[in-house]
Amino acid sequence: DGGITQSPKYLFRKEGQNVTLSCEQNLNHDAMYWYRQDPGQGLRLIYYSQIVNDFQKGDIAEGYSVSREKKESFPLTVTSAQKNPTAFYLCASTGYSTSGNTIYFGEGSWLTVV
Amino acid sequence: DAKTTQPPSMDCAEGRAANLPCNHSTISGNEYVYWYRQIHSQGPQYIIHGLKNNETNEMASLIITEDRKSSTLILPHATLRDTAVYYCIVRTYNTNAGKSTFGDGTTLTVKP
Repeated sequence: DGGITQSPKYLFRKEGQNVTLSCEQNLNHDAMYWYRQDPGQGLRLIYYSQIVNDFQKGDIAEGYSVSREKKESFPLTVTSAQKNPTAFYLCASTGYSTSGNTIYFGEGSWLTVV
Repeated sequence: DAKTTQPPSMDCAEGRAANLPCNHSTISGNEYVYWYRQIHSQGPQYIIHGLKNNETNEMASLIITEDRKSSTLILPHATLRDTAVYYCIVRTYNTNAGKSTFGDGTTLTVKP
C-alpha cells in the first residue's frame, strides 16, 4: 500500500549525539515536510522540500538538518546543537488525490534524550 | 499560507453534533480550508476540505461562510472515538504549496 514510512518509531539519544530520522514515501509526491510536536502542543514546521535537491527552513530549523537526494526520501538529522530535542517528529508529503492537495502524514517518531 | 485561529478545547456529548469553529480572516482567494484530526501519538488524518461551497463526506461536513473568513467542521453524531485534536489549516491547491503551517488545534472531548 502507498504511504509514508518513518523509522525508527522510538529512539533514544545521548546528549551531544546526532541522530537521523528516516522518512520514505511511495506516493510519488514532490513535496515533503518535517514537523515537531511537543506534548500538548500543535505541529511546528522544521523543514520542507518542494523538489529534489532543494529544501527550505521552516519555523524552527535551528539545530536540525535535512537532505533531499531522492524524491521518495527526506531524512531529518537532529544535531547536538538542538538543545531540547525530546519530542514527537512527524514527516509528511503532499500530492494530488481525490482529496485534493492533501497532506499525508507518517506515524511519527518519538525521540528522547537521555 | 494564511493563519488560522481555533478554540483550544471543546466538549461534546456522545451522539450529539460536534461543531468546531475556525477563523481564517486573512485567507486568500486561491486558498482552500482543510481539516485534519490527530488521535494521540499518531499522524494527523485528513477529514475534509473546501474552497467556498459547503462540503460533506462520510466523516463530516464543512460549512464555509460567504466571506470565507471562517468555517465550521461538523461531526453529525459524535462518538467516543472522535475524541482527538482537530486542526484547521488553509493552503493553496498547488502540490508544491510551500509552507504548510498548523496551529495548536482544538481538543475535542466526546463524553458519554
